[in-house]
Amino acid sequence: SSELTQDPAVSVALGQTVRVTCQGDSLRRSFATWYQQKPGQAPLLVFYGKNNRPSGIPDRFSGSTSGDTASLTITGAQAEDEADYYCSSRDTSINHLEVVFGGGTKLTVL
Amino acid sequence: EVHLVESGGGLVQPGGSLRLSCAASGFNFSSYAMSWVRQAPGKGLEWVSGISGSGGSTDYADSVKGRFTMSRDNSKNTLFLQVNSLRTEDTAVYYCAKDSKPIVGACFDYWGQGTLVTVSS
Repeated sequence: SSELTQDPAVSVALGQTVRVTCQGDSLRRSFATWYQQKPGQAPLLVFYGKNNRPSGIPDRFSGSTSGDTASLTITGAQAEDEADYYCSSRDTSINHLEVVFGGGTKLTVL
Repeated sequence: EVHLVESGGGLVQPGGSLRLSCAASGFNFSSYAMSWVRQAPGKGLEWVSGISGSGGSTDYADSVKGRFTMSRDNSKNTLFLQVNSLRTEDTAVYYCAKDSKPIVGACFDYWGQGTLVTVSS
């Protein structure tokens, strides 16, 4: 089955820029989707596709892909951005679909 | 406004069964694929299963294939997950999630608050 690899933890100073990365072979075939999850809450979609941000998500969140690596960039991180971030991708093979999540990255805003 | 409300979780012994439900409102239910995603205590997200908008196509993670069955009743805007032969490693919060398209796994734009399944003797 497919796998997506994320760094377990990343930190950023308040107001600075941070990149959360996600690596996996399936990203060569489909864009990553990014979710934010705060303690005790359900995940929240924050970025998807080539360049799509859901309504209500600040424009400091952006995404990109290069080869087998997708990135979620937060430009000017805020205290409320401290959360776990998960990437996912949709992978298909003959007669089988799989949705894969990365292991998650805990973002700390210092 | 989209609402997804899961129910049916609880404490069950290994080998037992449960039927999870997800009541949906605020959108044209039959037009969108749905999925179940679980999260074990202190762990990451794991996709469990998905179903197309019509209900004609389902897919499962290898870890649950043959034990879990996903279905939907579009007349009642309700999603189901029948979980059988439960194992301790199935202990998790189970979220239902709405897809942004009729196909499974495009991206999950709305999530319920989850229902906790605890498998323990």
